[in-house]
Amino acid sequence: GAGVSQSPSNKVTEKGKDVELRCDPISGHTALYWYRQSLGQGLEFLIYFQGNSAPDKSGLPSDRFSAERTGGSVSTLTIQRTQQEDSAVYLCASSFGTGFLGNEQFFGPGTRLTVL
Amino acid sequence: QKEVEQNSGPLSVPEGAIASLNCTYSDRGSQSFFWYRQYSGKSPELIMFIYSNGDKEDGRFTAQLNKASQYVSLLIRDSQPSDSATYLCAVIRTNAGKSTFGDGTTLTVKP
Repeated sequence: GAGVSQSPSNKVTEKGKDVELRCDPISGHTALYWYRQSLGQGLEFLIYFQGNSAPDKSGLPSDRFSAERTGGSVSTLTIQRTQQEDSAVYLCASSFGTGFLGNEQFFGPGTRLTVL
Repeated sequence: QKEVEQNSGPLSVPEGAIASLNCTYSDRGSQSFFWYRQYSGKSPELIMFIYSNGDKEDGRFTAQLNKASQYVSLLIRDSQPSDSATYLCAVIRTNAGKSTFGDGTTLTVKP
């Protein structure tokens, strides 16, 4: 089946504008994750959704960042009043579950965000 | 101390050699361990996962886990130039959802 998809693949915006990044997980995967990766750096966890449970927002760097997941499928990450330090690749991943088996994460191609 | 630590490298090996990548973690409650490969400009790709102490082999790749020492490694046999990439170690405390990634080790395989 299809893998994780993300859109747009590239986004250039001006400082202070709001942006929305979209993630469509693998069909049947109940868990969805957002990460941020700055150039040459590791993955920074942002937020995690599992089924109908409240999301784990512990990685969101500020209140300018928010995310939602509608109908247990597609997720949107919103960054308000973007700053230059928000420039990075935003990666989405999904997994079948979070139990002992089936918690392998599969990544989408990412959205490269550039804030001018 | 970071929760998941990897040698940043770069690690350079000649073609055909064994490449050894190491990862240590601090959370003793961790139960799932993953290795991802990330080519420059691409997203991470899962190559191995391991849950039990010991070795797990898949083709040229072997993952090794030692929970007592809080250590997980990845061996790549008969290294090829196409193996040149950054290798990320990831650790999950099962049912906690959130996974923690190391910063990655950059591997270069020289022809």
